[in-house]
Amino acid sequence: SQQGEEDPQALSIQEGENATMNCSYKTSINNLQWYRQNSGRGLVHLILIRSNEREKHSGRLRVTLDTSKKSSSLLITASRAADTASYFCATASNAGNNRKLIWGLGTSLAVNP
Amino acid sequence: NAGVTQTPKFQVLKTGQSMTLQCAQDMNHNSMYWYRQDPGMGLRLIYYSASEGTTDKGEVPNGYNVSRLNKREFSLRLESAAPSQTSVYFCASSEMSGANQPQHFGDGTRLSIL
Repeated sequence: SQQGEEDPQALSIQEGENATMNCSYKTSINNLQWYRQNSGRGLVHLILIRSNEREKHSGRLRVTLDTSKKSSSLLITASRAADTASYFCATASNAGNNRKLIWGLGTSLAVNP
Repeated sequence: NAGVTQTPKFQVLKTGQSMTLQCAQDMNHNSMYWYRQDPGMGLRLIYYSASEGTTDKGEVPNGYNVSRLNKREFSLRLESAAPSQTSVYFCASSEMSGANQPQHFGDGTRLSIL
């Protein structure tokens, strides 16, 4: 069952520009995670933001979380061709035994040199 | 440091054949997961193992079995492959069970069933 929905589905920008991707979800969460997947590879964890956090940074990545709107955004600043990948959000529900992540369908980012 | 290693990387099967996908992690993680990734469907959890000696069904377990052989290894078996099981299969691990942990993924097994 899909929880997160990324927006846009695809994004094409020039190197050096900023890229913003959004994730909306439906139920209350414990945390939200962002992952990157390069073509033909596995997913790589980028950032985990907890429900009591509003913003988190890691290098050129900035993640925000608005639990009132049930949404998160991932900002990549000064993008590089190497940032070309699909980006997924995954949410951890705060219900039940909380063992599983629910994944969105991803945003495909193309950074053109 | 290899992380999560999956074998094989590619496989073509005929309908009705069986096979086992292998996964091993060298990070001393307690929890391991099997996902399938299909276009337009996102990642779906097949089975997971919260700790050595335990396995539980995920979202789409039908047609699959798993074995947590030891702390390092978690295998996925297709007993009688069907074309609907054509997919990319990912194994992942996390330090502890629960969805509050980052997951570490292998590079996947691309499986085609004819």
